[in-house]
Amino acid sequence: AQKITQTQPGMFVQEKEAVTLDCTYDTSDPSYGLFWYKQPSSGEMIFLIYQGSYDQQNATEGRYSLNFQKARKSANLVISASQLGDSAMYFCAMREGGATNKLIFGTGTLLAVQP
Amino acid sequence: NAGVTQTPKFRILKIGQSMTLQCTQDMNHNYMYWYRQDPGMGLKLIYYSVGAGITDKGEVPNGYNVSRSTTEDFPLRLELAAPSQTSVYFCASSPRTAPGELFFGEGSRLTVL
Repeated sequence: AQKITQTQPGMFVQEKEAVTLDCTYDTSDPSYGLFWYKQPSSGEMIFLIYQGSYDQQNATEGRYSLNFQKARKSANLVISASQLGDSAMYFCAMREGGATNKLIFGTGTLLAVQP
Repeated sequence: NAGVTQTPKFRILKIGQSMTLQCTQDMNHNYMYWYRQDPGMGLKLIYYSVGAGITDKGEVPNGYNVSRSTTEDFPLRLELAAPSQTSVYFCASSPRTAPGELFFGEGSRLTVL
């Protein structure tokens, strides 16, 4: 069965510094996708970045990058040059391959960016 | 663009009552999902659908039912509400071309007293 683990309940980071949010996963399916979502205090869910299991390169989207280490089954989110607006909950999620497209979320990491 | 629309945004139920959370999307997405988020927690998958007429259970389906008669609509039915169903419910959809890249509704906050 698929499983997503986020071990950091909360983190602080200074404005303009980089921060890494950890995510490990477990699946027996060779084809899967990994996602990161942001949930600000307003409550909406915002898609940030996607990494496919067969992608050779780490995904990047602006200040977000995904450090994908397949052998370690980790998919850490790196936010460069943190901004105050990055303060939010961040969720890692995984979708296994096949027709089901069931997407499972981790428990989240609360990031607080300090000025 | 309306995207994913959920109604109602807030609802208080008494124990034992039933209700339906409505969800509709106008993006012609094949995949639709219902999640619940308990305070300070992550999202738990209740039910999902890969297309009209096809639904399947997620991680926490007990106490809920769904239907998917059209591509656009994916209502979630709560039967015999219990305090444990107090939560924020999110409906989401994703396209076949980017499964897992979810478009979320604004959420529905349900309280069962």
